[in-house]
Amino acid sequence: EPEVTQTPSHQVTQMGQEVILRCVPISNHLYFYWYRQILGQKVEFLVSFYNNEISEKSEIFDDQFSVERPDGSNFTLKIRSTKLEDSAMYFCASREVPGTHGTQYFGPGTRLTVL
Amino acid sequence: AQKVTQAQTEISVVEKEDVTLDCVYETRDTTYYLFWYKQPPSGELVFLIRRNSFDEQNEISGRYSWNFQKSTSSFNFTITASQVVDSAVYFCALTQKTSYDKVIFGPGTSLSVIP
Repeated sequence: EPEVTQTPSHQVTQMGQEVILRCVPISNHLYFYWYRQILGQKVEFLVSFYNNEISEKSEIFDDQFSVERPDGSNFTLKIRSTKLEDSAMYFCASREVPGTHGTQYFGPGTRLTVL
Repeated sequence: AQKVTQAQTEISVVEKEDVTLDCVYETRDTTYYLFWYKQPPSGELVFLIRRNSFDEQNEISGRYSWNFQKSTSSFNFTITASQVVDSAVYFCALTQKTSYDKVIFGPGTSLSVIP
């Protein structure tokens, strides 16, 4: 069964460093998402991406964050200058159905630890 | 405003007991979708079910069943004859017509099934 994959599973970085989290969505899906879950808290929407542009973003998704689909299969989240409070699990998700509604399928997550 | 409430933060049951996880939602849209996701200790988010706002029929899938009641804005999840493998955090979630891209998660209920 097709699934969303994410790499790395765990990333440790120093405060102020740039990180790139990578995702490979399900191949026939057209909508892509990033969510964040701070330890012990609920999952929060960050950004949605369709047709090579951001379609919606939350107030968490500030100028430090960016997303990109560099090729036909990868979808990345970049944090330019990490802060301690960026430590969280980051989930990528993808959705197939355009124009109407479909289920978002989530990847296994990348745990980001900022020291 | 849109919101998902899961009043039970943690539940412990003994194996083979039935358990019901409560979910109450708020939305102004008449068209919306409700979801349940499971997050096992390994951390990934596993899709369990999607329900649209026009379909109040209850659903059963093996040991899992869901009770959707628009009159009380609830979408409760029951596990029958619980097993240790059911131990996880369960999230109820909502998307609505005004923003299908954004999944709004509840805070989650941590279920521990004790052998």
